[in-house]
Amino acid sequence: QVQLQESGPGLVKPSETLSLTCTVSGDSINPYYWSWIRQPPGKGLEWIGYIYYTGSTNYNPSLRSRVTISVDTSKNQFSLRLTSLTAADTAVYFCARGGWSHGIWGQGTLVIVSS
Amino acid sequence: EIVLTQSPGTLSLSPGERATLSCRASQSLNNNYLAWYQQKPGQAPRLLIVDASRRATGIPDRFSGSGSGTDFTLTISRLEPEDFAVYYCQQYGSSPANTFGQGTNLEIK
Repeated sequence: QVQLQESGPGLVKPSETLSLTCTVSGDSINPYYWSWIRQPPGKGLEWIGYIYYTGSTNYNPSLRSRVTISVDTSKNQFSLRLTSLTAADTAVYFCARGGWSHGIWGQGTLVIVSS
Repeated sequence: EIVLTQSPGTLSLSPGERATLSCRASQSLNNNYLAWYQQKPGQAPRLLIVDASRRATGIPDRFSGSGSGTDFTLTISRLEPEDFAVYYCQQYGSSPANTFGQGTNLEIK
């Protein structure tokens, strides 16, 4: 079955850039949409953005100036880049399949922003 | 941006009872594009309902969704012990963003 796995640093310093990768196994990254969603500790879900396998994107307006999502079809991966980090970016970051509803999720990775 | 408001914040019920969770949108949703998710501690959300009323693959029929426009409901007909969790609604397809409600915590009474 399709599985998603997030990877990246668990601790990042304020003002630095976060880079996370989601590896898709069990199916091709084509022809789907793929999303990043985050959840601060003890809080609700926040949609970050999505990418189509062709590379077209849509971002949450509140994060648009700091977010880039990219896709590497040759590696069956897509990635998140979030710049100018603050403590408010501390969260579990999930990757998921779908640009609208999300039926398949990764397990999530906790990212702490702290010096 | 569309804001989703879920109520109640916490719902305390016993196994076997019926649960009714509400999600209200700040403006009418295109094509009733609303989903419901269940999340247990330490886990990713699980998709339950799409398009307001269609159960996702493998979801038991005790879960049902209804509503249109701005008012939507998730009903769990007879609560099983594994149903106690946090539930989120999500709207999609309305530019410029998808948004989630703040969640309803369904706890054992």
